[in-house]
Amino acid sequence: GNSVTQMEGPVTLSEEAFLTINCTYTATGYPSLFWYVQYPGEGLQLLLKATKADDKGSNKGFEATYRKETTSFHLEKGSVQVSDSAVYFCALPLGNFNKFYFGSGTKLNVKP
Amino acid sequence: DVKVTQSSRYLVKRTGEKVFLECVQDMDHENMFWYRQDPGLGLRLIYFSYDVKMKEKGDIPEGYSVSREKKERFSLILESASTNQTSMYLCASSLGGGVRVHGYTFGSGTRLTVV
Repeated sequence: GNSVTQMEGPVTLSEEAFLTINCTYTATGYPSLFWYVQYPGEGLQLLLKATKADDKGSNKGFEATYRKETTSFHLEKGSVQVSDSAVYFCALPLGNFNKFYFGSGTKLNVKP
Repeated sequence: DVKVTQSSRYLVKRTGEKVFLECVQDMDHENMFWYRQDPGLGLRLIYFSYDVKMKEKGDIPEGYSVSREKKERFSLILESASTNQTSMYLCASSLGGGVRVHGYTFGSGTRLTVV
């Protein structure tokens, strides 16, 4: 069946460090892939997406490349800021009616 | 700015009460969803609706019901609140055929505490 696996957190980094949050998926075919971000006390926001294999999604300095050969969609940022502290969710739509399956979330803490 | 609005940010209810959580979207989206979010468990789908008066069970519908009388409003009902329903509840909406490209728009969430 379809599933999303994210690396467990929390991830703690110093400001300006390089970030990678791993995400792998199992799915039939080649679904679109998404990253959502949840800042403290808020709902989720769409961060970036890729709709087909080899696409790269990018937003706010974050990037993720859809790699069908490794079924991965890892989130990266070259230099994190304190304001990036949040929980990050990898997600893919599945089945009918556009339901999403979300990974368990990875909490990122960035220290000054 | 398009929005999904949840009526309450924080709610405290007593065990056995009937609880209504309201969600309104102004984007003319066909699909609406209710999730609950718990530490270590991520987001779990409770119910969703793909049209007015239409609803489908998600992964954890027990103890909940929903109502969608108008396209813009999707209500989650806890028939008899219990302490294990203490959680963050998130509402989301999406275009009917567009989520694979556009994704969801989420509300800010309602943190419900049942005492």
